[in-house]
Amino acid sequence: GAVVSQHPSWVICKSGTSVKIECRSLDFQATTMFWYRQFPKQSLMLMATSNEGSKATYEQGVEKDKFLINHASLTLSTLTVTSAHPEDSSFYICSASGERVEQYFGPGTRLTVT
Amino acid sequence: GNSVTQMEGPVTLSEEAFLTINCTYTATGYPSLFWYVQYPGEGLQLLLKATKADDKGSNKGFEATYRKETTSFHLEKGSVQVSDSAVYFCALGPQGGSEKLVFGKGTKLTVNP
Repeated sequence: GAVVSQHPSWVICKSGTSVKIECRSLDFQATTMFWYRQFPKQSLMLMATSNEGSKATYEQGVEKDKFLINHASLTLSTLTVTSAHPEDSSFYICSASGERVEQYFGPGTRLTVT
Repeated sequence: GNSVTQMEGPVTLSEEAFLTINCTYTATGYPSLFWYVQYPGEGLQLLLKATKADDKGSNKGFEATYRKETTSFHLEKGSVQVSDSAVYFCALGPQGGSEKLVFGKGTKLTVNP
């Protein structure tokens, strides 16, 4: 089946710094990628939807300037958490879908901001 | 708007017990329904899906039937194994599942030997 990878799998950063998370579709072209945030014991919250070559569409309540999403190619999307704070600590999951390909999920990235 | 409600966990069962995880939904139109599974430390994997009323999705011994009259998509397995221990998410979305999905809160299942 289709494979989606994320890098890094976990990251610790200091408050005020920025962190970039990569999401790659390894064996298919992802025309659409989704970024989710998962809080402990809670469901996935969709943050934004990105289509290759165009600006991401953010869900209500998600700060565009804080969570920068770039879908530069059909196999790569990045999420940059700018000026991270402890409340941004979470599990971030991406998923990708393409033509005739349903949505496949990455393994997630654990972000801890100290 | 669309929403999914699934039973609160955690659920703890003994091996070979029968499993039911309830899921109900609210949606406009005719969504597809999905069950995803998340094993410890991993991302979500599609377990099964159903795209129209009365469809039954099945995989790895798990089944769920799309019931429009009760707006439900309950997950069942006749005999669980220790390896089924995971968090299960019910979700709905457009046909095919390639677009925006709405997830339930997840139900953690622990199966003891």
